Amino acid sequence: EVQLVESGGGLVRPGGSLRLSCGASGFTLSDYWMHWVRQAPGKGLAWVSRINSDASSTSYADSVKGRFTISRDNAKNALYLQLNSLRADDTAVYYCTRGALSGSLDYWGQGALVTVSS
Amino acid sequence: DIQMTQSPSSLSASVGDRVTITCRASQNIITYLSWYQQKPGEAPNLLIYAASNLQSAVPSRFSGSGSGTDFTLTISSLQPQDFATYYCQESYSTVHTFGGGTTVEIK
Repeated sequence: EVQLVESGGGLVRPGGSLRLSCGASGFTLSDYWMHWVRQAPGKGLAWVSRINSDASSTSYADSVKGRFTISRDNAKNALYLQLNSLRADDTAVYYCTRGALSGSLDYWGQGALVTVSS
Repeated sequence: DIQMTQSPSSLSASVGDRVTITCRASQNIITYLSWYQQKPGEAPNLLIYAASNLQSAVPSRFSGSGSGTDFTLTISSLQPQDFATYYCQESYSTVHTFGGGTTVEIK
């Protein structure tokens, strides 16, 4: 069974940093591109970032470019998102998702809540 | 970036109704279009990939169509468990933009 489990969320002050982790099981992580998607409270889904299978290529939404960094450790079956220079509008549930060959996101974690507030 | 526009933003329907949601892309995305369902407090669930392909274990009352810039998600006979928010998403560009969502409410 495919499982994605996020951790590392919490309350952080504006300007602070946080590292989200996503543990993957039930499939071979190195075979898949992985993505992060976020959802602010009461709002819609927003794509954040993606990383290809061997970590040689990454992409970011303009809203997080230069502040967030996606990475992965295939040997540890883990995906990461480093969040720096956090702002109030980064407050959201962050989902770890698996990218299928079609480009769709076929499995999602339960999400990790990041709250940026003083 | 590609813009994805969903309509309507919300709708009210009854059990058994046929429901159609549309998604328009700001440029040609061929068939790089997915549909997701999200219920309150839950993670989204993939329904349709590549515009018209039903994801495994998704009921056949869901269907997708379209190509280029105009796409449709249809629920042939709305069931109580289908009241949720639906999102389209393009995967043609490196920025996988989502539509704004359509909330299906009970009439």
